[in-house]
Amino acid sequence: AQSVTQLDSQVPVFEEAPVELRCNYSSSVSVYLFWYVQYPNQGLQLLLKYLSGSTLVESINGFEAEFNKSQTSFHLRKPSVHISDTAEYFCAVSENQGGKLIFGQGTELSVKP
Amino acid sequence: GAVVSQHPSRVICKSGTSVKIECRSLDFQATTMFWYRQFPKQSLMLMATSNEGSKATYEQGVEKDKFLINHASLTLSTLTVTSAHPEDSSFYICSASSAGGGNTEAFFGQGTRLTVV
Repeated sequence: AQSVTQLDSQVPVFEEAPVELRCNYSSSVSVYLFWYVQYPNQGLQLLLKYLSGSTLVESINGFEAEFNKSQTSFHLRKPSVHISDTAEYFCAVSENQGGKLIFGQGTELSVKP
Repeated sequence: GAVVSQHPSRVICKSGTSVKIECRSLDFQATTMFWYRQFPKQSLMLMATSNEGSKATYEQGVEKDKFLINHASLTLSTLTVTSAHPEDSSFYICSASSAGGGNTEAFFGQGTRLTVV
């Protein structure tokens, strides 16, 4: 069985400060890892994903995440956040390409001016 | 990227009635669709997986007779909440993926906010 743990339910941070949202997973098989962002009353948008290859993956809006197999982690980072980054962030794992996703509990990122 | 359209985005229904939610893949063939439910301030929980032309596979604890899923074509899956009750009020989200099409992710619809009064 797989599971995902997001260690922080809420992360308040000031604008232009760095942020890290933590994600740890558990699985007996190789997995694909994802970060999704959800704005209020909206669906999920894929932020970035790790499938294979380089363990550091980046999104177009400045987020990055690093796959650490030994620590079974896939933490999300951004060196300088904006007000518009305020949203709920979900880490997820999947065993198969395009397969069902197991989500973490979510982290509410709140960026304050 | 691939587009998944979910309809309606919001629906309010009376207790005891049934509600149908549609999930369409607009520009690819979705051999597999997933239905998730999200309660306020909580994560997404998978309800069921449906493959085109086959019966849906429900997760443990999800009543298949209450949440009817149909995936009759490669572009459409529907979720019908039968005899809805206030505790069924939730945010329902579908996702779709195509097998063998090179996709490495499932694409999500915009979600449906169901309120049962």
